[in-house]
Order: sequence, then structure tokens, then C-alpha cells
Amino acid sequence: EAQVTQNPRYLITVTGKKLTVTCSQNMNHEYMSWYRQDPGLGLRQIYYSMNVEVTDKGDVPEGYKVSRKEKRNFPLILESPSPNQTSLYFCASSPSRTGFHEQYFGPGTRLTVT
Amino acid sequence: KNQVEQSPQSLIILEGKNCTLQCNYTVSPFSNLRWYKQDTGRGPVSLTIMTFSENTKSNGRYTATLDADTKQSSLHITASQLSDSASYICVVRVYTNAGKSTFGDGTTLTVKP
Repeated sequence: EAQVTQNPRYLITVTGKKLTVTCSQNMNHEYMSWYRQDPGLGLRQIYYSMNVEVTDKGDVPEGYKVSRKEKRNFPLILESPSPNQTSLYFCASSPSRTGFHEQYFGPGTRLTVT
Repeated sequence: KNQVEQSPQSLIILEGKNCTLQCNYTVSPFSNLRWYKQDTGRGPVSLTIMTFSENTKSNGRYTATLDADTKQSSLHITASQLSDSASYICVVRVYTNAGKSTFGDGTTLTVKP
């Protein structure tokens, strides 16, 4: 089944403890992206990747890192999480870099930083 | 700053009725506009996509319109069903940076029996 998977789906952690949220797609998509969604603020783009080894900042990249060493994986790294990073995170992928194809979203990761 | 604004913020309608959601954007240069449906706690799912040359695009009971001159789009839902209860999000991409997406805050639609 074609899909975008994220792990973990739920995570409660403490301030400063490094964590990684994994994202994997099995559709051979070139484009992948991370978003966070907060009540009243909608979805905001964190980082995106147009292809392997190509990543760029979205609108809210502070406090996050990403890497794209393989086409299928695009992990989101929080080196030192803080409470303001408590949010619902979505990974998405798309067949091409042109923006004319729809993005397929993962199921979301709900992160709580205490 | 590129922005996407949606209205109304929330809407309640009775099952079987029609409704129209609005999206105004200031994104430039415009590439394409997409409407997504997001059920609570789940990832968004694409409904329609339109480029600047397209005025109307339909997907079943969903019809999106685009006026690139006034930078406005609407999503019309016909004969609403209970399963239409969701958040509807307008997303715009710029021509000069296809990687970046600007999302509206969404309209929360509730369909009541």
C-alpha cells in the first residue's frame, strides 16, 4: 500500500532531550516536507527536501534539523526540544518538485515537551 | 509577506445544504492553489488543484473556483453529508519556489443531521 509513515505517533518527552521523528514513504517521491500544526495557527512548513541531499528551510525552521540521505526517509530532529515545540507534526511527500502534484500526508506525530 | 486567509473560520450547516468557503491570497508570483480536507487528528487529503489558467475544478460534490486577477478562490460543497464535517484548508504555492507551501488557517465545517 502506498503510504507515508511516521514514528512515533505519540511522544511525551522532557525539555532538552534530543529526539528524532522518522518519516518514510514507499512511493519513490522526490519531494518531502515537514509541517507542524498548532490550534489557531494552521499548518506551517518547517523544512522541505526537493531530492536526496537537498533540503531547505520552510517558515518555522528554528529548533529543528532534517536530513535526506535516502529518497524514502526524511527524519525530523529536535536537538534540544522546548515546550514551545509541543505540537502535531505531519510529514508529507509528493511525486515531483514542481508543486503541481498533490502532497500525501502521514498520519501525524503528536509531540508533548514538558 | 505571502499570506493566505480563509473565511469563515467555522461554519455549521444542516445535512443536505450547500455551502461555500472562501480563500484570499497575496502569494506572488502565483503557481497553484490547492484545497485540502482534514479530518480531526488526521493528515490533510487533497481535493482539487488549480493553476492560474484554470477557473473551475470539480471533484464529486466539491467544486473549486479561482480568480487569479482578484486572488480569490472558493470551495463549494453541494448536498452536504455528515462526513463532510472537517477542516478545509487552502494552500498556495509560489512559482519561484515550488518547494514552499503557504497554508491558510482553515475553515472548520460542521454538518448536522
